[in-house]
Amino acid sequence: QVQLQESGPGLVKPSQTLSLSCTVSGASISSGDFYWSWIRQPPGKGLEWIGYLYYSEDTDYNPSLKRRAIISVDTSKNQFSLKLNSVTAADTALYYCARGGIGNPPGFDYWGQGALVTVSS
Amino acid sequence: SYELTQSPSVSVSPGQTARITCSGDALPMQYAYWYQQKAGQAPVLVIYKDNQRPSEIPERFSGSRSGTTVTLTISGVLAEDEADYHCQSADSSGNPGFGGGTKLTVL
Repeated sequence: QVQLQESGPGLVKPSQTLSLSCTVSGASISSGDFYWSWIRQPPGKGLEWIGYLYYSEDTDYNPSLKRRAIISVDTSKNQFSLKLNSVTAADTALYYCARGGIGNPPGFDYWGQGALVTVSS
Repeated sequence: SYELTQSPSVSVSPGQTARITCSGDALPMQYAYWYQQKAGQAPVLVIYKDNQRPSEIPERFSGSRSGTTVTLTISGVLAEDEADYHCQSADSSGNPGFGGGTKLTVL
């Protein structure tokens, strides 16, 4: 059974960096078979793809984030992480990590429970 | 950013058929996926690759496509199907994108 769990601070100040981690169990991030993804949902709004890690080290990002996002991996912990810099109130959202399967595009078959991050001074 | 358009809401009575549509110019070239999201919960994949259903999803959920529109059909709607439904596909560069979501209300 694949499980994902987000962790990180729930409050970030404007202009600072949001940092979240996702711990995966039941699957190996280093196997290269899946797209390990970050997706967010502002309160009361729809889902937005942030980016993903694939083939253990390659990454793709949503162009609308203007290169503020960085996804990295720690294979020793079977964990991947998101850093989003220069945050504003518009970055307040529920942040999900999810697994994307092989497909064009990948669909997301396993999701974490989500981590609420509020950007406020 | 890539746009997928969904109607904000759909209402049906129990036992009826609900159809939720999603439109986008790049849809003919990319697979579509559908997610169910109940209040306070993470999304759950209910349809993948246009019309494939995960084994744990009831048969009353089905997917189809026609041109630039994909449709999620829920036959014999139950009260437990009340949720937000999100479509997902990708733009011409392969970047995933989601629709704005459709709130299904079971009257």
